[in-house]
Amino acid sequence: GAGVSQTPSNKVTEKGKYVELRCDPISGHTALYWYRQSLGQGPEFLIYFQGTGAADDSGLPNDRFFAVRPEGSVSTLKIQRTERGDSAVYLCASSRTPGAETQYFGPGTRLLVL
Amino acid sequence: QKEVEQNSGPLSVPEGAIASLNCTYSDRGSQSFFWYRQYSGKSPELIMSIYSNGDKEDGRFTAQLNKASQYVSLLIRDSQPSDSATYLCAVINTGGFKTIFGAGTRLFVKA
Repeated sequence: GAGVSQTPSNKVTEKGKYVELRCDPISGHTALYWYRQSLGQGPEFLIYFQGTGAADDSGLPNDRFFAVRPEGSVSTLKIQRTERGDSAVYLCASSRTPGAETQYFGPGTRLLVL
Repeated sequence: QKEVEQNSGPLSVPEGAIASLNCTYSDRGSQSFFWYRQYSGKSPELIMSIYSNGDKEDGRFTAQLNKASQYVSLLIRDSQPSDSATYLCAVINTGGFKTIFGAGTRLFVKA
C-alpha cells in the first residue's frame, strides 16, 4: 500500500514569508507526528496528533509554528514569518496507534529560508 | 544532559565484523525504545523495538536494554557495506507518546 507522502519535497522561501507543509499519512493510521531534522542531528519532535487533536505540541519552538489535522487524516504544518533558522528537513510520520507502534516516516520536505 | 545520547562516531568496522552502537537516556520511566536506520538523504526506517530488559534478536541485529542503567544498545553481526548509515536511538517519554531521538551514530562498514 501507499506510504506516508509529503508535499512539497522541496520549498525555498524568503525570510518573513508564510509556508505550509503537507503530510498524508498511511490510510487508517490514527497517530501522526511532525519532526524537524537539521544536518547532523536526529529528528526533533514538534507535535503529535491522535485523531484530529494535538495530543502533545510541546516541541513546537514558538508561536510561529502551528499544525492542524482537521479530519484526522491529512495534516498541515504552518510556519509564519519564516526565519533562516527554520531551514531544515521537516519529517512526518504516522503509526496505526500511538506509543509503542512502529512509526513510518515520509520522505520529508526540505525547507530553505533565504 | 541531553535526553537521549549517542556517540556521533563515525564508527568504522571491517566487513564481517560486529558493530556495537550505544545509547543512554535520561527519562528513567521510559518504557519503549527503538533503533532506526537512516541512509544519507533518506528518512529513518525502524530496525528494532525493545520494551523489556535483556536481549532481542532479529536476524543479524540484536537490541539490548538495561533500564537500571538507562542504556540501550544495538549489535550488528556480520556487518555489510550496505549497513553503512546513521543509526538513531529513539525513546518514548514517560506517560506519553513523544518520541525523543538521539543525534545518531554514523557507521561505516569497509569492504
